Amino acid sequence: AQSVSQHNHHVILSEAASLELGCNYSYGGTVNLFWYVQYPGQHLQLLLKYFSGDPLVKGIKGFEAEFIKSKFSFNLRKPSVQWSDTAEYFCAVNAPYGGATNKLIFGTGTLLAVQP
Amino acid sequence: DTGVSQDPRHKITKRGQNVTFRCDPISEHNRLYWYRQTLGQGPEFLTYFQNEAQLEKSRLLSDRFSAERPKGSFSTLEIQRTEQGDSAMYLCASSFGPYGSHELTDSYNEQFFGPGTRLTVL
Repeated sequence: AQSVSQHNHHVILSEAASLELGCNYSYGGTVNLFWYVQYPGQHLQLLLKYFSGDPLVKGIKGFEAEFIKSKFSFNLRKPSVQWSDTAEYFCAVNAPYGGATNKLIFGTGTLLAVQP
Repeated sequence: DTGVSQDPRHKITKRGQNVTFRCDPISEHNRLYWYRQTLGQGPEFLTYFQNEAQLEKSRLLSDRFSAERPKGSFSTLEIQRTEQGDSAMYLCASSFGPYGSHELTDSYNEQFFGPGTRLTVL
């Protein structure tokens, strides 16, 4: 069965610091990869997604993620965080051809707190 | 607001009672998903509809849980004889996909989530 691991459960950064959140998945076939963000009091929103092509994908608000197939990873990065990036970040995977159809498998999330 | 809506936003019930939640997806979306999220965890898939057909159910969905999407638009999730372990946030999501196919391409399977219904079972 597919699974997603997010190694950082809580991250505290100062504004302007660089961010990298780890995400690893377990599935040997074709995958679609996502990062969702949940700001305090708001619902889950898509930050960025990878389906195919360039493994470096850019999302909203200056976020980017790199898909490294050999490492089964899809780490999220931002060169300089802002206080408004304080949120919970979820990595998710979908395996469209592995019998899992459309469901998303989520990691446990990383709570990011950015101190002004 | 043309996003996914869920009702109610909060529900407190006593153990053993039945509860029903409603989800209204984005109007042109033919796919609808239910997820459950407990504290400290990511959302876990419960079930999936394409139009009115329920095409996939998780083993998490015990016999006490039932979901419907009778006209291919809104969906309901009912929990019978609630237990304290059912306390969680129940999330609904919708997306658009090609009829008659589970194939995914760049424009599909971007799931849009609703605000969730927080269930507390006392």
